[in-house]
Amino acid sequence: EAQVTQNPRYLITVTGKKLTVTCSQNMNHEYMSWYRQDPGLGLRQIYYSMNVEVTDKGDVPEGYKVSRKEKRNFPLILESPSPNQTSLYFCASSFSGAGLGDTQYFGPGTRLTVL
Amino acid sequence: KQEVTQIPAALSVPEGENLVLNCSFTDSAIYNLQWFRQDPGKGLTSLLLIQSSQREQTSGRLNASLDKSSGRSTLYIAASQPGDSATYLCAVPAGGYNKLIFGAGTRLAVHP
Repeated sequence: EAQVTQNPRYLITVTGKKLTVTCSQNMNHEYMSWYRQDPGLGLRQIYYSMNVEVTDKGDVPEGYKVSRKEKRNFPLILESPSPNQTSLYFCASSFSGAGLGDTQYFGPGTRLTVL
Repeated sequence: KQEVTQIPAALSVPEGENLVLNCSFTDSAIYNLQWFRQDPGKGLTSLLLIQSSQREQTSGRLNASLDKSSGRSTLYIAASQPGDSATYLCAVPAGGYNKLIFGAGTRLAVHP
C-alpha cells in the first residue's frame, strides 16, 4: 500500500530537549516536504527536498533542520524546541515538485506539544 | 506574495443540501489549484486538481471551478452526506512549484 508514515504521532516534550520526527514513504518519490498547521493559518511549508542530499527552506524554517540521506526518509529535527513550535506537523511526498500537479501524499500528522 | 483565503471558516448543514465552498487567491498567475480533504488523524487527501487552462473538474458529487482572472475557485458538493464532514482546503503552487500555499480551510459538518 502506497503510504507516508510519520512517527511519533503524538509527542509532548519540554523546552530545549532535542527531538526528531521521522517521515518515510514507500513510493520512490523524489520530492518530500514538511508542513506545520496552526489554527487559522492553514499549512505552511517548513523545508522541502527535491532528492537525496538536496534540501531547501520553505516559509517557516527557523528552529528546524532536515536531512535527506536516503530517498525514502526525510526526518524533521528540532534541536532546541520552544513552545511556539507546538503544532500539527505533516510530511508529504510526490514524484515531482508540489506545485506541478502530481498527487501529493500526506502522512497522518504528528501532534507536538512543547511545554 | 501569494495569499489564499477560504470562506466560510465553518459550515454546518443538514444532510442532502448542495454546498459551495469558496477559495480566493491574490496572485492570478497560478499553474494549477488543488482541493484537499482533511480528516482528523488521517492527514490530507487530494480531491481535485484544476490546471490553469481548465475551468472545472468533476469527481462524483464534487465539482471544482476555477476563475483565474478573478482569483477564485469554488468547490461544489452535491447532495451532502454525513460522510462529507471534514475540513476542506484549497492550495496553489508557489516558489517555483516547490511548495503549496494553503488556505486555512473550511470545516464542514453535515448532520443527519
